[in-house]
Amino acid sequence: DARVTQTPRHKVTEMGQEVTMRCQPILGHNTVFWYRQTMMQGLELLAYFRNRAPLDDSGMPKDRFSAEMPDATLATLKIQPSEPRDSAVYFCASGVGGGSRQPQHFGDGTRLSIL
Amino acid sequence: AQKVTQAQTEISVVEKEDVTLDCVYETRDTTYYLFWYKQPPSGELVFLIRRNSFDEQNEISGRYSWNFQKSTSSFNFTITASQVVDSAVYFCALSEASFGNEKLTFGTGTRLTIIP
Repeated sequence: DARVTQTPRHKVTEMGQEVTMRCQPILGHNTVFWYRQTMMQGLELLAYFRNRAPLDDSGMPKDRFSAEMPDATLATLKIQPSEPRDSAVYFCASGVGGGSRQPQHFGDGTRLSIL
Repeated sequence: AQKVTQAQTEISVVEKEDVTLDCVYETRDTTYYLFWYKQPPSGELVFLIRRNSFDEQNEISGRYSWNFQKSTSSFNFTITASQVVDSAVYFCALSEASFGNEKLTFGTGTRLTIIP
């Protein structure tokens, strides 16, 4: 089965450090999403791309977060500088975009802890 | 604005019992899609089902069944003859069909524990 691949699976770092999370979407999927899961806020969308172009990043704190798709096989989410409140599980999902809303398939997530 | 409510925070049942997870949604769109995802203890999110707003037929897949009722804005999920492997957090989600609004809006999830 094709899967969304996220790296790293776990990351522990100190406040102020840069964090980069990577995602390889399923081959053929043209839409990539970044979600964050916390106990307080649940699952919330940070940003998403269609054909590598950003369509919505309204859920992302712009001062410290950035999301890019250097190519069709790689999406990145960066936090600089990181803060303890960024501790969460970050999920990448991919899908075939369009009006029919085909299911989004999720990676295993990156569990991020900022000390 | 779209919203999904899963009022049941936690449910525990004894193995082999049937259990229903409730999901109520709000949307202004006439066309929308509903989803259920499972998050087992290992943490990944597993897609279970997708339903569009024009299809109110109930669906059954093995021990799983879904009841979609537009009149009550509900999309409930029933597990028949529950098993320990069904223990997980289950999320209901909504996606509106309007252009550029493909995000999933998730409910807060229902933690289901199946007691052996």
